[in-house]
Amino acid sequence: EIVLTQSPDFQSVTPKEKVTITCRASQSIGSSLHWYQQKPNQSPKLLIKYASQSLSGVPSRFSGSGSGTDFTLTINSLEAEDVATYYCYHSSILPFTFGPGTKVDIK
Amino acid sequence: QVQLVQSGAEVKKPGASVKVSCKASGYTFINYFIHWVRQAPGQGLEWMAIVNPRYGSTDYAQNFQGRVTMTTDTSTNTIYMELTSLRSEDTALYYCSRAEAYEVWPPAFEFWGQGTLVTVSS
Repeated sequence: EIVLTQSPDFQSVTPKEKVTITCRASQSIGSSLHWYQQKPNQSPKLLIKYASQSLSGVPSRFSGSGSGTDFTLTINSLEAEDVATYYCYHSSILPFTFGPGTKVDIK
Repeated sequence: QVQLVQSGAEVKKPGASVKVSCKASGYTFINYFIHWVRQAPGQGLEWMAIVNPRYGSTDYAQNFQGRVTMTTDTSTNTIYMELTSLRSEDTALYYCSRAEAYEVWPPAFEFWGQGTLVTVSS
């Protein structure tokens, strides 16, 4: 099973600050890495698919990069509505797995 | 529009089984992979299983092997997830989710149900 680790576990930032979350896979997963945002009491929302592909309706301040084992989710200019937990998730080989999550809060 | 509507909350005793449904609408049911994910209270997301509704083929996470079964009913566009031998650690919100693209592998899952809370308590 591929293990995903995320850092940091928690990040508290001021509005408009840039947020960077990293996700590392225990073996190469190509670009089969996706990022989800989960707000309290809501279902997860797909933000970025296949490492760097954006989705319709997702604000442009969210971007993803990386391939192989190292990936990054960047939130440029954090807004209050971005307070959430962010998970990386791979669909490279079965079983799929999620990272442990990074909680982002506003200072 | 794509909708996944899950069945309501369940309370079960340890050792019992639970069957959660996920009714799909707004798209051609057999064309998209579905997976199940659970989230224990205050915890992260845990991948459980995937099903190809066209063939009924499934794959399960090792943690649930032998205890989980996913089935599909193409006449009602519904996916079922049954978990047996329940224990307190199975208390969680269970989600179904649909792949974002038609028969694309590997899939990314874009559409999610509202979640079904399963509580296991004596």
